[in-house]
Amino acid sequence: EPEVTQTPSHQVTQMGQEVILRCVPISNHLYFYWYRQILGQKVEFLVSFYNNEISEKSEIFDDQFSVERPDGSNFTLKIRSTKLEDSAMYFCASSERQGGNEQFFGPGTRLTVL
Amino acid sequence: AQSVTQLGSHVSVSEGALVLLRCNYSSSVPPYLFWYVQYPNQGLQLLLKYTSAATLVKGINGFEAEFKKSETSFHLTKPSAHMSDAAEYFCAVKGDTGRRALTFGSGTRLQVQP
Repeated sequence: EPEVTQTPSHQVTQMGQEVILRCVPISNHLYFYWYRQILGQKVEFLVSFYNNEISEKSEIFDDQFSVERPDGSNFTLKIRSTKLEDSAMYFCASSERQGGNEQFFGPGTRLTVL
Repeated sequence: AQSVTQLGSHVSVSEGALVLLRCNYSSSVPPYLFWYVQYPNQGLQLLLKYTSAATLVKGINGFEAEFKKSETSFHLTKPSAHMSDAAEYFCAVKGDTGRRALTFGSGTRLQVQP
């Protein structure tokens, strides 16, 4: 069964460093998403991506964040200068098309900023 | 704007007892509603979804949910709890026209007592 994969499963970084979180969406999906979940809090939407551009973003997704689809399979989230409050579980998701189709989530990358 | 409220951050039931997890939503347009489950150290797995077809939706692992427009609710139920149902459950809504982002509730942790 196709699934969304994410690497690494856990990333530890120093405050101020850049990190890149990687995702491989399901191969025939067209929409890609990043969400995050700070420990003990709800899952929050960050950004959606379609046709090689951002289609929607939340207030959380400020200038320190960027997304890219560098090739036909990977989808990345870059945080340019990490802050302590960026520590969270980051989930990638993908979906076939808009409308009611569900989003399929990856297992997440736990980011710890020291 | 769309929002989700999950009543009860923790629910504890005995094995074999009825499971009822509550979800109320707010949406300016007819919503799509989802229940996701998160097992420890894993990603989000879709349990079931409502997309304006039948109001009673059946999902995986014996779970079902009923969409009640008049009550703006989408409660999740299972007739008989199993130990393996212990997990965190998230209700999510995709409502506003043109938006793809899911808005999640704060989650309910289900404990199943032997």
